[in-house]
Amino acid sequence: GAGVSQSPSNKVTEKGKDVELRCDPISGHTALYWYRQSLGQGLEFLIYFQGNSAPDKSGLPSDRFSAERTGGSVSTLTIQRTQQEDSAVYLCASSLVAGVPNQPQHFGDGTRLSIL
Amino acid sequence: GNSVTQMEGPVTLSEEAFLTINCTYTATGYPSLFWYVQYPGEGLQLLLKATKADDKGSNKGFEATYRKETTSFHLEKGSVQVSDSAVYFCALSDLSNTGNQFYFGTGTSLTVIP
Repeated sequence: GAGVSQSPSNKVTEKGKDVELRCDPISGHTALYWYRQSLGQGLEFLIYFQGNSAPDKSGLPSDRFSAERTGGSVSTLTIQRTQQEDSAVYLCASSLVAGVPNQPQHFGDGTRLSIL
Repeated sequence: GNSVTQMEGPVTLSEEAFLTINCTYTATGYPSLFWYVQYPGEGLQLLLKATKADDKGSNKGFEATYRKETTSFHLEKGSVQVSDSAVYFCALSDLSNTGNQFYFGTGTSLTVIP
């Protein structure tokens, strides 16, 4: 597609349920990033993929959070046993070439997750 | 380590006023610097960038100059419009041993009133 696509755009679920958030990056982009943005807050880095591998998982807030990327393309962020504090907008971004710092990130519109 | 500090908001200006949003950074290498804008309900969009010292990024009337001596990348616009109301994020990217990492400021909310 022309831009980064995230789905679903909105997700409402009950506390304790598992959720999967999907990110489809721009075709050919090798680097993919997940961020969390709580209401009125800045971006909290979660995880970064270079191809299918994740050299930096330092931002994942707990072991309930995991992410994978297959085929160097689509990525899925999974949150198990959701808690109310997981409510936020989850943003995905991709960039063309990893290892070149002047390449900007391109963001999707995010998934707004609400835990009841 | 790398970090970005930007002016706290919210900022409220009248239409046609001059805008400055301050951004300073710390970096261990030779980073590239960016300003992103986020309109309500949307993701972040790249506004402008600068990749080396003394470069000036510009777009849609916004400008920012990469100042290595003051480690700053302040965003300016001479005459703001209501449509500029959004949240603005300063960011840097730098290479680390784990790849190309990005660091974002906390964002500055701008409201322009007619």
